[in-house]
Amino acid sequence: AQTVTQSQPEMSVQEAETVTLSCTYDTSESNYYLFWYKQPPSRQMILVIRQEAYKQQNATENRFSVNFQKAAKSFSLKISDSQLGDTAMYFCAFMKPGGAGSYQLTFGKGTKLSVIP
Amino acid sequence: DAGVTQSPTHLIKTRGQQVTLRCSPISGHKSVSWYQQVLGQGPQFIFQYYEKEERGRGNFPDRFSARQFPNYSSELNVNALLLGDSALYLCASSLATRALGYTFGSGTRLTVV
Repeated sequence: AQTVTQSQPEMSVQEAETVTLSCTYDTSESNYYLFWYKQPPSRQMILVIRQEAYKQQNATENRFSVNFQKAAKSFSLKISDSQLGDTAMYFCAFMKPGGAGSYQLTFGKGTKLSVIP
Repeated sequence: DAGVTQSPTHLIKTRGQQVTLRCSPISGHKSVSWYQQVLGQGPQFIFQYYEKEERGRGNFPDRFSARQFPNYSSELNVNALLLGDSALYLCASSLATRALGYTFGSGTRLTVV
């Protein structure tokens, strides 16, 4: 079974600064996908960024970028120019093909990020 | 375009009762997945449906069941509720089972007393 570990239960960052959230995963698969989701107090899970394991280039979405180290099974999220609206729970998630064509997400326990004015 | 819609938003039930949660996917999305998120944890996969057929099931007891309708909406049923079933139940939709980014609803908060 796949596991996703987020070792930082809580983090804080000053507004406009940069912060990096850590994520490691365990799998024997070679073809899979990795995601970072954000969950604000509104409860809705919002996709922040995704990475396909076969792509060597790290994904970037505006202020969000990842450092994907496939051999080390590491997938960290860097948030640049942090904004107050970035305050939320951040979940790292892994997805691989399952039986009968299913694709299920396996989530870590999350990191609570607080952006301080 | 409306996002993924879940109802009700909050629900309080008594142990032993049954509950039905509903999900309407984004228009055009044919796959619906259900996740349970216990307080302080990440979501856990319960079911995935595509074209009205169950495509995947997580490690949950038979008290949990679901179905998908011809309009692709879905219901999650939980029988014989236990205190431990108290959680946020999230629905996610996607065009197909393999999706590089599911769209989640805001969830149904179920409290079992």
